[in-house]
Amino acid sequence: AQRVTQPEKLLSVFKGAPVELKCNYSYSGSPELFWYVQYSRQRLQLLLRHISRESIKGFTADLNKGETSFHLKKPFAQEEDSAMYYCALSPNILTGGGNKLTFGTGTQLKVEL
Amino acid sequence: DTGVSQDPRHKITKRGQNVTFRCDPISEHNRLYWYRQTLGQGPEFLTYFQNEAQLEKSRLLSDRFSAERPKGSFSTLEIQRTEQGDSAMYLCASSLSGRNSPLHFGNGTRLTVT
Repeated sequence: AQRVTQPEKLLSVFKGAPVELKCNYSYSGSPELFWYVQYSRQRLQLLLRHISRESIKGFTADLNKGETSFHLKKPFAQEEDSAMYYCALSPNILTGGGNKLTFGTGTQLKVEL
Repeated sequence: DTGVSQDPRHKITKRGQNVTFRCDPISEHNRLYWYRQTLGQGPEFLTYFQNEAQLEKSRLLSDRFSAERPKGSFSTLEIQRTEQGDSAMYLCASSLSGRNSPLHFGNGTRLTVT
């Protein structure tokens, strides 16, 4: 069975400080990993995915297969980064399952001035 | 807004009543997903369609739940004989069928069963 663990329900940082949102996963195979974000009063939306190896809004995430982790990082937090962040896993497309996602419980990031 | 739309936004019903929710996906998306989210949890997968075919259902989807996508466009999720434990946010998402095409979510329907 696949599982995504986000150990922190709430992470509070000061503006300009580095941010790291932790995500660990359990899956018997090579999954695809994603970060979704939900800003206040907005719908859930994709932030980034590991296969793209891109930086979005200053955020990056590296898939570490040895540690089964996909932590989300940003060197300098901004006030507008305050939101709920969900890590999600999708089975490898070759093993079927469509693009079905398994989500973690989410981490609320609060950036304080 | 040409994103995924869900109707209604909120639904309050009494235990034992039936409810139906509607989801209109992004028009060119052939995959449609239903998720359920309860307080303090991430979205949990319920079922998904490719065009009009329902390809997978979660164990969470009891016999009281049924989803349809009759013409491969909009979808409905019906809950029969609602229970208080059904109170949750029901999210719909759609995507293309390409590898790792991102899911686009709607705003959800919040169900409260009294």
